Amino acid sequence: DAGVIQSPRHEVTEMGQEVTLRCKPISGHNSLFWYRQTMMRGLELLIYFNNNVPIDDSGMPEDRFSAKMPNASFSTLKIQPSEPRDSAVYFCASSLSFVLQNLYEQYFGPGTRLTVT
Amino acid sequence: SQQGEEDPQALSIQEGENATMNCSYKTSINNLQWYRQNSGRGLVHLILIRSNEREKHSGRLRVTLDTSKKSSSLLITASRAADTASYFCATDARKTGANSKLTFGKGITLSVRP
Repeated sequence: DAGVIQSPRHEVTEMGQEVTLRCKPISGHNSLFWYRQTMMRGLELLIYFNNNVPIDDSGMPEDRFSAKMPNASFSTLKIQPSEPRDSAVYFCASSLSFVLQNLYEQYFGPGTRLTVT
Repeated sequence: SQQGEEDPQALSIQEGENATMNCSYKTSINNLQWYRQNSGRGLVHLILIRSNEREKHSGRLRVTLDTSKKSSSLLITASRAADTASYFCATDARKTGANSKLTFGKGITLSVRP
């Protein structure tokens, strides 16, 4: 199994540009999570999906952020327009879990390091 | 606010020594998990302990859970230089009628000197 795949691994963009991060979860997993990690705030959950449906997006910082999961094997996190404070490492994780029941271990991708200048 | 908070923030030990890391949390949980993150990498799941369990072992790892004190500890025995990483505890808060999710602490940086 290839694990969770994220692309790109590094992204450098200018303020105001649109940024799209991509994630392919582990085959068979039904939950997908987007996290952001910074030194100041640690690891923050942005949004998670169960069976392709967004369950909790309360961590999405503002309307500039949006996430989609059109099918079980692909998700995107979009920032438009990007700002320097969005610079962080963005992780995607997947797991086999069930709505309203205990979560099981999550498998993380390698992350996308985003730098907005 | 962070559900899980690790202690200490940083730990430096000699190879061969044991490393003990602690995690405290605030609300009732379904389970508690420990993860490791090597520099520049994603988090890797180490071990999960359920709220009705008190101790769990996995290789050189030993995790304890004290729900009365709302705390957990991760012990790495006979540490190796390769154990150098950041370690995170994550809690799955028990919520009625809602979807639970993992909340991560800020992590403990462990350095194992060869």
